[in-house]
Amino acid sequence: GAVVSQHPSWVICKSGTSVKIECRSLDFQATTMFWYRQFPKQSLMLMATSNEGSKATYEQGVEKDKFLINHASLTLSTLTVTSAHPEDSSFYICSARDGPGAYQPQHFGDGTRLSIL
Amino acid sequence: GQQVMQIPQYQHVQEGEDFTTYCNSSTTLSNIQWYKQRPGGHPVFLIQLVKSGEVKKQKRLTFQFGEAKKNSSLHITATQTTDVGTYFCAVSGAGSYQLTFGKGTKLSVIP
Repeated sequence: GAVVSQHPSWVICKSGTSVKIECRSLDFQATTMFWYRQFPKQSLMLMATSNEGSKATYEQGVEKDKFLINHASLTLSTLTVTSAHPEDSSFYICSARDGPGAYQPQHFGDGTRLSIL
Repeated sequence: GQQVMQIPQYQHVQEGEDFTTYCNSSTTLSNIQWYKQRPGGHPVFLIQLVKSGEVKKQKRLTFQFGEAKKNSSLHITATQTTDVGTYFCAVSGAGSYQLTFGKGTKLSVIP
């Protein structure tokens, strides 16, 4: 149980393109999902908390107009990197909790490796 | 936000040797979670510690939460090549559901 699917796994595109990444909880409902960014050999940095039916909460330093998050249903959150540039190249990974409690573990998607040329 | 320091950053061991990674916080933690990320993969939840002084075991892995709930350790006995990966601790402060990840300890096991 507690499977999170993230799509696509790899994206290579030209500078200026907008890229949408989907994160789905397959066998549970997730009122809250999280979006992280991970640079090579580094830890996961929380970008934003995605809340179903409301606006996402962004961490300090993360541009909300650059990284658009939509959480339209209890099983789907999307991250759109708008007008992507080479510095946006990174590994983006989502997670979801399978329960309402703060102590619930997070279940991660497989991540999306984004390369902007 | 919540801060956590994890050491060491890298550890190379011979297969069969033990391995330990530590996480430390300057503030009291409500809980601590441990995750493992294999090369090229995503973090996978291992365990959660909530109680002061708690010790949990999963086969060759032993997890400890300090009495003051400010530090934790993960110890692997007799490492195997399948233990290779980066081990992260993740913490949340009182009243917060967000996790802050440590920088991780990358474990390499030499056969």
